[in-house]
Amino acid sequence: DSGVTQTPKHLITATGQRVTLRCSPRSGDLSVYWYQQSLDQGLQFLIQYYNGEERAKGNILERFSAQQFPDLHSELNLSSLELGDSALYFCASSAAPGPPTTQYFGPGTRLLVL
Amino acid sequence: AQKVTQAQTEISVVEKEDVTLDCVYETRDTTYYLFWYKQPPSGELVFLIRRNSFDEQNEISGRYSWNFQKSTSSFNFTITASQVVDSAVYFCALSPPLTGGGNKLTFGTGTQLKVEL
Repeated sequence: DSGVTQTPKHLITATGQRVTLRCSPRSGDLSVYWYQQSLDQGLQFLIQYYNGEERAKGNILERFSAQQFPDLHSELNLSSLELGDSALYFCASSAAPGPPTTQYFGPGTRLLVL
Repeated sequence: AQKVTQAQTEISVVEKEDVTLDCVYETRDTTYYLFWYKQPPSGELVFLIRRNSFDEQNEISGRYSWNFQKSTSSFNFTITASQVVDSAVYFCALSPPLTGGGNKLTFGTGTQLKVEL
């Protein structure tokens, strides 16, 4: 158990809908990351927050947004969902915002868009 | 640009065999960090090891060992006396440059290891 929690574990929804994925980092970690794992794209970095501020951005679609709250939990919002958004979404956390700090991953949220 | 290549898509071995998973990386940075993660069938990503680019000493942890060779830009992972519980997808990853920016990891495509009885 990495100490990173993600809810829900599974999510099934329809195209055009909006969902929110939630992540709580390990105790003491200030940085949160979101990654998407899909069959065709592999593991891709979406976005990073550090202590409430956006720190780095990857190939995150405009339909996706995220934020980190004062209690350090983070939410990833996915809107206008498409079939291709079906994937495993991971949250990770680390103590510091930059390398070489190790990122510890949560169990993931498996999203299925029908 | 950074890149991680795991050329072996899938490896099948019989229990107790040794197996090596290859990882080749590309970076222009002189200081960097390499990682290995394990993704068992249950789906979570489990951290295995972090290695600094300035430390080429090989590391051993139980049945796991890692061979880092800067000259060939490789960071290979060997499992000795493999067990069925080692069946998983293994990912190699590279840290970003030490620029004070973010910490986006670049992952390889993973190697699916199947250990059979």
